[in-house]
Amino acid sequence: GEDVEQSLFLSVREGDSSVINCTYTDSSSTYLYWYKQEPGAGLQLLTYIFSNMDMKQDQRLTVLLNKKDKHLSLRIADTQTGDSAIYFCAESYNTDKLIFGTGTRLQVFP
Amino acid sequence: DTEVTQTPKHLVMGMTNKKSLKCEQHMGHRAMYWYKQKAKKPPELMFVYSYEKLSINESVPSRFSPECPNSSLLNLHLHALQPEDSALYLCASSRENSPLHFGNGTRLTVT
Repeated sequence: GEDVEQSLFLSVREGDSSVINCTYTDSSSTYLYWYKQEPGAGLQLLTYIFSNMDMKQDQRLTVLLNKKDKHLSLRIADTQTGDSAIYFCAESYNTDKLIFGTGTRLQVFP
Repeated sequence: DTEVTQTPKHLVMGMTNKKSLKCEQHMGHRAMYWYKQKAKKPPELMFVYSYEKLSINESVPSRFSPECPNSSLLNLHLHALQPEDSALYLCASSRENSPLHFGNGTRLTVT
């Protein structure tokens, strides 16, 4: 099956770290992605990881992949109010078909 | 130019109208996509064009008709839509084995 699950909502204080989690079921996925969507806008690619990697770091973003548990996470360090948005994880076996997660709404308060 | 540009940003149409959504990219990407996104839901794939040929149609009703005139352009022709077709329509493009880049979408309202 192709189910990608995320928790619906996360609230953090400005300056703290945020961790957004994602579980997927398709073990043949080759790429896993994190996209950000602000209100009224399209999807912005934040980062992605190949399935043969365990971790990827890009400035304030850290992606962790646990293939055994089919678990993907996105950690945002020093979360800012501008990080408030909906975050979607997505998986693909080949990049012609992305399967999106249900989305996590991140709210950052002062 | 690293953008996917969609026009119009907003569109209101009646159920008997014919309209078109347009998408353009100049990144040399070989694949282009249409996604539909309802409020508070993830995007759902509609169509994929690869090298200007339709490669995936996710059982989309025929009132939605895609067209890829050249490698930089993708259109979605709309005819006899229903109110439940109101949504954000997102276009995306990608290179071979590379992430998708999305436009900002067209917010469609069918009255």
